[in-house]
Amino acid sequence: AQKVTQAQTEISVVEKEDVTLDCVYETRDTTYYLFWYKQPPSGELVFLIRRNSFDEQNEISGRYSWNFQKSTSSFNFTITASQVVDSAVYFCALSDVYSGNTPLVFGKGTRLSVIA
Amino acid sequence: NAGVTQTPKFRVLKTGQSMTLLCAQDMNHEYMYWYRQDPGMGLRLIHYSVGEGTTAKGEVPDGYNVSRLKKQNFLLGLESAAPSQTSVYFCASRQGSGGTDTQYFGPGTRLTVL
Repeated sequence: AQKVTQAQTEISVVEKEDVTLDCVYETRDTTYYLFWYKQPPSGELVFLIRRNSFDEQNEISGRYSWNFQKSTSSFNFTITASQVVDSAVYFCALSDVYSGNTPLVFGKGTRLSVIA
Repeated sequence: NAGVTQTPKFRVLKTGQSMTLLCAQDMNHEYMYWYRQDPGMGLRLIHYSVGEGTTAKGEVPDGYNVSRLKKQNFLLGLESAAPSQTSVYFCASRQGSGGTDTQYFGPGTRLTVL
């Protein structure tokens, strides 16, 4: 069965600190996709990244970077030099071939608070 | 392109009342979903649709009904609202199946049942 675990319920950092949000997943499939979404205080869900299981290259987008490691079934998200605007709930999600027509399986989210 | 829109944004109901939440997407997506979000529970799937005229149950379907009469619209109905249905409801859509396409979300509807 698919499962996404975000063990960190809440994280609090001081502005400019680096922070890593952990995501561990379970799937029986060899072909799958991993996602990160951001939910700022305004409430909407914003897509951040999608990564397929065949591409283990780390990705960097500005202050955001993602570390995908199949060996540990993890897809961690790092924010460098955090800013107050990064304060949000971040969700990791998984979709695999067996899910077929069903949607993403989400973790329970990590609430990040960046303090000025 | 408005993306995924939801109506209404907020609603307060009394126990036993009924209402319908409307989700509309202008991206010609085949797949549409309804989730609810509760504190500490993440996003849980209520119902979904893989195309016009089709619907299926998700993880927490009890107390809800859905209809997809038009490809662009996905309606979520509460026939007899209960306080346990107080939640934030999100609609989402996606072009294709599996994980090859990104799932896009609406802005959410905050529902309170008294």
